[in-house]
Amino acid sequence: KQEVTQIPAALSVPEGENLVLNCSFTDSAIYNLQWFRQDPGKGLTSLLLIQSSQREQTSGRLNASLDKSSGRSTLYIAASQPGDSATYLCAVNLGYGQNFVFGPGTRLSVLP
Amino acid sequence: GAVVSQHPSWVICKSGTSVKIECRSLDFQATTMFWYRQFPKQSLMLMATSNEGSKATYEQGVEKDKFLINHASLTLSTLTVTSAHPEDSSFYICSARGFSGRENYGYTFGSGTRLTVV
Repeated sequence: KQEVTQIPAALSVPEGENLVLNCSFTDSAIYNLQWFRQDPGKGLTSLLLIQSSQREQTSGRLNASLDKSSGRSTLYIAASQPGDSATYLCAVNLGYGQNFVFGPGTRLSVLP
Repeated sequence: GAVVSQHPSWVICKSGTSVKIECRSLDFQATTMFWYRQFPKQSLMLMATSNEGSKATYEQGVEKDKFLINHASLTLSTLTVTSAHPEDSSFYICSARGFSGRENYGYTFGSGTRLTVV
């Protein structure tokens, strides 16, 4: 059974810092991995999608990497801003047309 | 881009009543709908998967008679929480996978429904 963990559970940083969020998954046979952002009481915003054949994806200040063989992904946020404060979820897709398995999330606070 | 409209965004109901949550795909055909729930300070957990025109497949521990899923059309899926109890209070979110013409729309999430049962 696929399990996804995220470290740290919570993180508080001053504005402007670069930071790394970690995601681990137990079964390397994934179809893709996606990072989401969830604001309190709200739905999900897709940030980056990495296919199983890819090593990384970039969007603006965000960079996500994938090491499928070791079951790890990282989300790098450059020059963090207070608006980045949210919970970041890592999710692995088990196969074409199948569901996601989500990690518990990292709750990020960026202090002005 | 693909949009899934989920309603209501929040609902408060009395214990013992039923609540229906709707997810509509606005510009594509949702062949598969996934329903997740998220308890406070926990991650999203898959409840069930439904394919248009077929019975839903429920995850272990999810009561199919309590959480009724209907996916009778390619643009609408509903989740009805029957005889709701306070322990059903949670954040429910749908995720649709589908097509428009020859374009594969991958996965699109609704905005979620926060259910509070009092």
